[in-house]
Amino acid sequence: EVQLVESGGGLIQPGGSLRLSCAASGFTVVNRDFMSWVRQAPGKGLEWVSGVDSGGGTYYANSVKGRFTIFRDNSENTVFLQMNSLRVEDTAVYYCARDYALDVWGQGTTVTVSS
Amino acid sequence: DIQMTQSPSSLSASVGDRVIITCRASQGIKNDLAWFQQKPGKAPRRLIYAISSLQSGVPSRFSGSGSGTEFTLTISSLQPEDFATYYCLQHNSHPRTFGQGTKVEIK
Repeated sequence: EVQLVESGGGLIQPGGSLRLSCAASGFTVVNRDFMSWVRQAPGKGLEWVSGVDSGGGTYYANSVKGRFTIFRDNSENTVFLQMNSLRVEDTAVYYCARDYALDVWGQGTTVTVSS
Repeated sequence: DIQMTQSPSSLSASVGDRVIITCRASQGIKNDLAWFQQKPGKAPRRLIYAISSLQSGVPSRFSGSGSGTEFTLTISSLQPEDFATYYCLQHNSHPRTFGQGTKVEIK
């Protein structure tokens, strides 16, 4: 069964850092063209955050550029999102999703940035 | 960045109604357009990709159409399980962008 499982969310103070993980099963991340992170703030819509392509190219929303870093560990079949300098407005459920058109999604992990 | 303008933001409809949701892109996106359904507390689920291709397992009452910058999601006969929020996504260029969402509620 193709599955994505996110982890690493939690409560963090403004300015802090968190690393989210997205563990894939049923397929290998290295063989997929693109993997993304998408977030949803409480009561709001979906916001694409970041993506990594098969060549290791990385892409970011303007709102997180310079603060977040996406990377893959092919040996662990996992995609990570390193989040630094967190802000209150980064509070959201974070989902990872597969391929250019986001065909498979994880269940999400909740990040709360608050003092 | 490509802006995706989705309308309406919400609608009320009855079971059996035909529902049409529209997304307009600020520039051409070829066929790099997908539609998603999200229910409260759940992850989004892809319904349509490449404008009009139906995701495996999705009922045939869902369909997509359009070209260039104008795209529509149609639910031909609304069912109780279709009450949810729907989003379009362009994946033609970076950053990817979603529409603002359309909440479909029971009339």
